Amino acid sequence: GQQLNQSPQSMFIQEGEDVSMNCTSSSIFNTWLWYKQDPGEGPVLLIALYKAGELTSNGRLTAQFGITRKDSFLNISASIPSDVGIYFCAGQLSGSARQLTFGSGTQLTVLP
Amino acid sequence: NAGVTQTPKFQVLKTGQSMTLQCAQDMNHEYMSWYRQDPGMGLRLIHYSVGAGITDQGEVPNGYNVSRSTTEDFPLRLLSAAPSQTSVYFCASSPGLGKAFFGQGTRLTVV
Repeated sequence: GQQLNQSPQSMFIQEGEDVSMNCTSSSIFNTWLWYKQDPGEGPVLLIALYKAGELTSNGRLTAQFGITRKDSFLNISASIPSDVGIYFCAGQLSGSARQLTFGSGTQLTVLP
Repeated sequence: NAGVTQTPKFQVLKTGQSMTLQCAQDMNHEYMSWYRQDPGMGLRLIHYSVGAGITDQGEVPNGYNVSRSTTEDFPLRLLSAAPSQTSVYFCASSPGLGKAFFGQGTRLTVV
């Protein structure tokens, strides 16, 4: 199947620091999404991106749909303890009948 | 305000046993899907449905069956459980535009 390369795999940061993670693929995606998963829960949608170059914010989160349509990044500013969790990127390929391809996730730990 | 409801939350099976994971949504979404989540591998699509009576295979369908008799329900059946099917299973429903709403998951252990 299609692969999304998500990096980094894990991050340990101090509270208050900014965070950046990204996803890349060899395929072109029509939609990029970013999800967060808390322990014992299902993923929750954070941001959805639909156009190349689109930059969208949701509070302290900002995500961009890459110009080539093969990548996306997520930034978290001024991290707080509740940002801890696993962040997943997901992409929807053209003509994929709404199936999503997920990255392997970035485990974020915020140290006090 | 239920959203997507999965049952059971936890299950232990013996190799060779069969069982059905239940999934129900109350958002009237046409599209539903099942994923499995394994450490370091993200979520992988098992089966999906674009509406009642229509199902199709995802990336990892072997050993699983699905059916969609109503818009609300999308059960996943394990025909003969194997240790390789130990995983966390998530059901999701989608209104389109790539957005998916996930249930809380079923943690399955096959011994």
